[in-house]
Amino acid sequence: EAQVTQNPRYLITVTGKKLTVTCSQNMNHEYMSWYRQDPGLGLRQIYYSMNVEVTDKGDVPEGYKVSRKEKRNFPLILESPSPNQTSLYFCASGSGRAFFGQGTRLTVV
Amino acid sequence: GNSVTQMEGPVTLSEEAFLTINCTYTATGYPSLFWYVQYPGEGLQLLLKATKADDKGSNKGFEATYRKETTSFHLEKGSVQVSDSAVYFCALRIPNFGNEKLTFGTGTRLTIIP
Repeated sequence: EAQVTQNPRYLITVTGKKLTVTCSQNMNHEYMSWYRQDPGLGLRQIYYSMNVEVTDKGDVPEGYKVSRKEKRNFPLILESPSPNQTSLYFCASGSGRAFFGQGTRLTVV
Repeated sequence: GNSVTQMEGPVTLSEEAFLTINCTYTATGYPSLFWYVQYPGEGLQLLLKATKADDKGSNKGFEATYRKETTSFHLEKGSVQVSDSAVYFCALRIPNFGNEKLTFGTGTRLTIIP
């Protein structure tokens, strides 16, 4: 079954404490990306990756990092989270038709 | 820049009613157009798509036609069911040297009451 798996699903953390949200896909896709979803704004792209070791900024990359060391994994890193990064995050895999993970609801206090 | 404007929600309908959710877009180039659906607690799923003018996408009784002259991609269903309650997102994609970014509208929450 085609799957994009994100972890954790829910996370509450404190300002400044580094965290990583993992994303894994089983479809051998080259293209992966991260979005954040905020009320009234829809989904906005944070970072994307066209292949292993190839990543680039999306529309709202400030405060985030990513890495792509293997094709299946594309973690999102918040090195010093701030309250304005409280949001619902989605990992997506594939081009043409994107498959989305179930989302990670992050709260930064 | 590229953008998608969606009908403001929330939308509440009775079961078996006719549904229209409006979507218009602004884009440079030739976008592909999509409707995604998000059920409670889940990620987005592709509902339908159209890749060129006058194409009609359809799935699960939903339809949308790519209208270049009006830059629109309105979602319709003839008879909605309670199980159609979800948030619906209109989106576009313009190929850009490898970035398959989707540009989304703000979403429309649909509630169907029995």
